[in-house]
Amino acid sequence: DTEVTQTPKHLVMGMTNKKSLKCEQHMGHRAMYWYKQKAKKPPELMFVYSYEKLSINESVPSRFSPECPNSSLLNLHLHALQPEDSALYLCASSQDRGAYNSPLHFGNGTRLTVT
Amino acid sequence: SQELEQSPQSLIVQEGKNLTINCTSSKTLYGLYWYKQKYGEGLIFLMMLQKGGEEKSHEKITAKLDEKKQQSSLHITASQPSHAGIYLCGADGDYGQNFVFGPGTRLSVLP
Repeated sequence: DTEVTQTPKHLVMGMTNKKSLKCEQHMGHRAMYWYKQKAKKPPELMFVYSYEKLSINESVPSRFSPECPNSSLLNLHLHALQPEDSALYLCASSQDRGAYNSPLHFGNGTRLTVT
Repeated sequence: SQELEQSPQSLIVQEGKNLTINCTSSKTLYGLYWYKQKYGEGLIFLMMLQKGGEEKSHEKITAKLDEKKQQSSLHITASQPSHAGIYLCGADGDYGQNFVFGPGTRLSVLP
């Protein structure tokens, strides 16, 4: 069982829809991450929050909007997505960002399909 | 920036066989992590290696980091179908840089 919980597990949305992905961790970690993973590829970093502040935005289109309401929660708001945005979206957390020897702990992901 | 390569890209073995997956870095590794991923699921943290020459084991999986801290190997003894999945190595980037992943090795274990 993972200690990082993601909801929903699956999501199908049209290009005009607005939806949100949610992530929660109760390990006291202060860094939280969103990754995008396409088939047969490793995860690609999208956003990093460190102590509830956005510290990295890897040139992600504005149709993806992250939010960190508190140290345990991370959301990813989706609007006007394109079919090529279909992917597995993974949330992760770590004790601290940039600290060596602080492994990332991943949730099970949300499988997103954009129609 | 740091880059990781993995070999082989994919591997098919008969149940009960031993196997090794390699991860090579373009720079010195300060923290090397092994993850396993089942199709469509999240990544499961397996092990973390820090020191040159370090070796760690968990059940039938052993991971080593070489003395120069630029290569790691993951060895599975007496493989089982439950070992099937994608194995990814990951590493701390240079200071201030992001965590990086290798491309992954897809393992199939035939019963």
